[in-house]
Amino acid sequence: AQSVTQLGSHVSVSEGALVLLRCNYSSSVPPYLFWYVQYPNQGLQLLLKYTSAATLVKGINGFEAEFKKSETSFHLTKPSAHMSDAAEYFCAVTQYGGYQKVTFGTGTKLQVIP
Amino acid sequence: DGGITQSPKYLFRKEGQNVTLSCEQNLNHDAMYWYRQDPGQGLRLIYYSQIVNDFQKGDIAEGYSVSREKKESFPLTVTSAQKNPTAFYLCASSAARDSIPATFGSGTRLTVV
Repeated sequence: AQSVTQLGSHVSVSEGALVLLRCNYSSSVPPYLFWYVQYPNQGLQLLLKYTSAATLVKGINGFEAEFKKSETSFHLTKPSAHMSDAAEYFCAVTQYGGYQKVTFGTGTKLQVIP
Repeated sequence: DGGITQSPKYLFRKEGQNVTLSCEQNLNHDAMYWYRQDPGQGLRLIYYSQIVNDFQKGDIAEGYSVSREKKESFPLTVTSAQKNPTAFYLCASSAARDSIPATFGSGTRLTVV
């Protein structure tokens, strides 16, 4: 069984401030973890992925995430928020050999305040 | 440009009707997926197909049907058996059968009237 929990359905940050979106996972086997971004009325775009290589993963648009097994976490960060980062972000988990069965979190809407 | 095209963008269905959502990709991707998205929830997998003429049920397949007669097309039919079809439907694809869905369409918003 696998699941992800995203803490906070809405997060607000000021432009230029640190972005931190939290994700904790549960998996009976070593997980593969992902972050996706969704702009209004659009599909999802893959931001970054962890597949058991480096624990610090860098993605597009300046985002990165760190896999912490001891904390079962995969939080998404960006040092300085930009207005264009306002969107909904989804954490997701799957397992080796089961890529089709991706389990998504409930999403976190990021608001960037000018 | 390569991508996934979903049509229509908005669709209204009367009670008891079947409707078909279109999903076409020109990426030459092997695998295709259908997800349902409801407010405040993550995406839930309806069906997926790893190869032409083959598809598997996802977590919420009841009331839905699909076909995969061509590599580039994966239409989803929402049947009258689906009791609560109002949702945002997303089609996705991946290059290989053993990779995660990485490319998504812009979605179809289905409303029952």
